[in-house]
Amino acid sequence: EAQVTQNPRYLITVTGKKLTVTCSQNMNHEYMSWYRQDPGLGLRQIYYSMNVEVTDKGDVPEGYKVSRKEKRNFPLILESPSPNQTSLYFCASMGQGGVGYTFGSGTRLTVV
Amino acid sequence: AQTVTQSQPEMSVQEAETVTLSCTYDTSENNYYLFWYKQPPSRQMILVIRQEAYKQQNATENRFSVNFQKAAKSFSLKISDSQLGDTAMYFCAFLNRDDKIIFGKGTRLHILP
Repeated sequence: EAQVTQNPRYLITVTGKKLTVTCSQNMNHEYMSWYRQDPGLGLRQIYYSMNVEVTDKGDVPEGYKVSRKEKRNFPLILESPSPNQTSLYFCASMGQGGVGYTFGSGTRLTVV
Repeated sequence: AQTVTQSQPEMSVQEAETVTLSCTYDTSENNYYLFWYKQPPSRQMILVIRQEAYKQQNATENRFSVNFQKAAKSFSLKISDSQLGDTAMYFCAFLNRDDKIIFGKGTRLHILP
């Protein structure tokens, strides 16, 4: 089944404790992206990657890192999480031809 | 900057009624793609319908159809014979030539029994 697998689904952590949210896709898509979703703000792009070893900042990149060492994986790293990073996070990948995103199931992150 | 605006933060309709969700966007591009995504309480993001800007014909998917007005930069979603399972947040989205998808802030739709 074609899918984007994102883990964990829920995560509660403390301020300053480094964490990684994993994302993997099995569709051989070149384009992958991370979004955060907050009430009243919709989905905002954090980082994106157009291919292996190519990553770029989105609209809200501060406090986040990503890497794209392999085509299928695109982890999101929070080196020192803060409470304002409490949010719902989505990983997504996209094929060619304007087909739109396939989304992961989301990660609800709470930073206390 | 390219933007997507959904002017209705929340709507409620009775089951079996028809409902239209509004979306406008701003771009100087001529070729692009537009989408409606549905996010039910499970929070999964589900693609509902897709429209290619160079196609004049409005896209339809079963009970879901769009009214695409390119000159007006409008892309509304019509849900016919609404069902309880249509209760969700709906996001309008625009795909630009740089492969970036820009989302509206969403419309929360309640289908009432």
